[in-house]
Amino acid sequence: EAQVTQNPRYLITVTGKKLTVTCSQNMNHEYMSWYRQDPGLGLRQIYYSMNVEVTDKGDVPEGYKVSRKEKRNFPLILESPSPNQTSLYFCASRRRFTNGKGYEQYFGPGTRLTVT
Amino acid sequence: KNEVEQSPQNLTAQEGEFITINCSYSVGISALHWLQQHPGGGIVSLFMLSSGKKKHGRLIATINIQEKHSSLHITASHPRDSAVYICAVGGGATNKLIFGTGTLLAVQP
Repeated sequence: EAQVTQNPRYLITVTGKKLTVTCSQNMNHEYMSWYRQDPGLGLRQIYYSMNVEVTDKGDVPEGYKVSRKEKRNFPLILESPSPNQTSLYFCASRRRFTNGKGYEQYFGPGTRLTVT
Repeated sequence: KNEVEQSPQNLTAQEGEFITINCSYSVGISALHWLQQHPGGGIVSLFMLSSGKKKHGRLIATINIQEKHSSLHITASHPRDSAVYICAVGGGATNKLIFGTGTLLAVQP
């Protein structure tokens, strides 16, 4: 089954304690991205990766890091989490249709993070 | 002004009603997506449109590229359709998605 998986699904942590949220896809997609979802703000892109070893900042990258050492994995790292990073996080991956008109986006199940 | 605007923000309907959710955007796009998010759940892609109209079961999505507007219709609505519906547009060199803030739909039995 084609899917994007994330772990953990729920996490409560304290300010400053480093954490990693894992993301993996089994569809051989080149493009992967991380989003955070906050009430009234919708989904905002944190980081994205066009392929292995190619990553770039999205709209809200401050306080986050990513890596793309393998095609299937795209972990999100919070080196020193703060309460304003409390949010619902989604990993996503996509392929590109051959007609160049667009792509189908697959989302992970989400990780609800609370930083106290 | 947001680049992607959805209306209404909240919608309550009775089971069986015909529902329309609208999306307007202000940027050039390669495709528009309609997504569904159930409470506490993940996000599912319903449609991806670059022109015209698509239908899947009771769901219909249309797009007017000239007017930069799309609509999502639900026919014969059912309580299980209750969810947040999100419009997103993709474009630019990386086809980055820009999201609307969503429409919260509640269908009452």
